[in-house]
Amino acid sequence: EVQLVESGGGLVQPGGSLRLSCEASGFRFSSYWMSWVRQAPGKGLEWVANIKQDGSEKYYADSVKGRFTVSRDNAESSLFLQMSSLRAEDTAVYFCATIDIPPTGTRLLDHWGQGTLVTVSS
Amino acid sequence: DIQMTQSPSSLSASVGDRVTITCRASQSINNYLNWYQQKPGKAPKVLIYGASSLQSGVPSRFSGSGFGTDFTLTISSLQAEDFATYYCQQSYGALTWTFGQGTKVEIK
Repeated sequence: EVQLVESGGGLVQPGGSLRLSCEASGFRFSSYWMSWVRQAPGKGLEWVANIKQDGSEKYYADSVKGRFTVSRDNAESSLFLQMSSLRAEDTAVYFCATIDIPPTGTRLLDHWGQGTLVTVSS
Repeated sequence: DIQMTQSPSSLSASVGDRVTITCRASQSINNYLNWYQQKPGKAPKVLIYGASSLQSGVPSRFSGSGFGTDFTLTISSLQAEDFATYYCQQSYGALTWTFGQGTKVEIK
């Protein structure tokens, strides 16, 4: 069974930093692109970042570019999101998800974790 | 950046109703369009990928259509467990993705 478990969320002051982790199990982690998606309280979904299987390609939403860094440790089956220069508008539940690429060639967010809440406030 | 516009933002419907949600992309995305369902306090779940392919395990009352810029999610006969928020998402191009703003389906 595929499992994704996020951790590392919490309360942080504006301008501060936080590192989120996503521990994966039940599948070959190193074979999958991975993604971070966030959801502000009461709001919709916002894609944050994608990372290739070997970490050689990374893509970010404009809203986090230059402040957030996605990385992974395939030996530990873990995904990370290093967040810095945090702002109030970064307050959200952060989900990690697997990216599936079926034969049709499209890409979808298949398996999701339960999310971890980040609150940026003084 | 590609913008995704969903309509309506909310709707009220009864069990057994046919429900249609639309999603429009700001530029052509071929069929790189997915639909997700999210219930309160839960992670999203993919329903449709590639505009019209039903994800394994998803009931056949869900269907998707469209190509290019205009897409539709249809629930042929709404069930009690379908009351949720639905999001479209484009996965076209250089892996910089966007979601629609969501459509909340409520009980009439």
